[in-house]
Amino acid sequence: ETGVTQSPTHLIKTRGQQVTLRCSSQSGHNTVSWYQQALGQGPQFIFQYYREEENGRGNFPPRFSGLQFPNYSSELNVNALELDDSALYLCASSLGGQHTGELFFGEGSRLTVL
Amino acid sequence: QQQVKQSPQSLIVQKGGISIINCAYENTAFDYFPWYQQFPGKGPALLIAIRPDVSEKKEGRFTISFNKSAKQFSLHIMDSQPGDSATYFCAAIGTRFFGNEKLTFGTGTRLTIIP
Repeated sequence: ETGVTQSPTHLIKTRGQQVTLRCSSQSGHNTVSWYQQALGQGPQFIFQYYREEENGRGNFPPRFSGLQFPNYSSELNVNALELDDSALYLCASSLGGQHTGELFFGEGSRLTVL
Repeated sequence: QQQVKQSPQSLIVQKGGISIINCAYENTAFDYFPWYQQFPGKGPALLIAIRPDVSEKKEGRFTISFNKSAKQFSLHIMDSQPGDSATYFCAAIGTRFFGNEKLTFGTGTRLTIIP
């Protein structure tokens, strides 16, 4: 059983650019959630995707968008990057609709915006 | 207010001692309370979790104590070891309504175990 994998692990962008982060969910999981973790803080919920549709969104602006594909992998896109977007972006997968609450995280993508 | 308050911010414990981290929540819709362990440069790893129908759950050296009336829960690490040095996050989630299954995290506790 493969775990949650994310790519790239590290990347550097400049303000105003766009970035795409990718996530492959754990085998058998159909739900992907994205979290932003600023340095020294707890992760903050960005949004969740279930069966290719957004299924809940946190307090993030529309320039944060996502996709989920038929194989349940997912992308997080951030447009018009700002300095405050520098953070560890975490993907978590789960089995939606089972009410277990169990989410399993990947290692994250460390984004630095200069 | 969907907030989880965690304390202390940092904790130093001697090897073999007991590490205790506390959390409190407000939202009564939360019904699953996991603890995550995070090492530098890594993602959070699910450590242990509890539902509010029990007051305590133990897995090896890790124990969660849960007080539903006070809306508080805590993590106890017995016989703390240097390998336990990490940042610990409590979290809470409401699982009853699909589409609202988002984790709300505490601010984290940096635990250091000294020899």
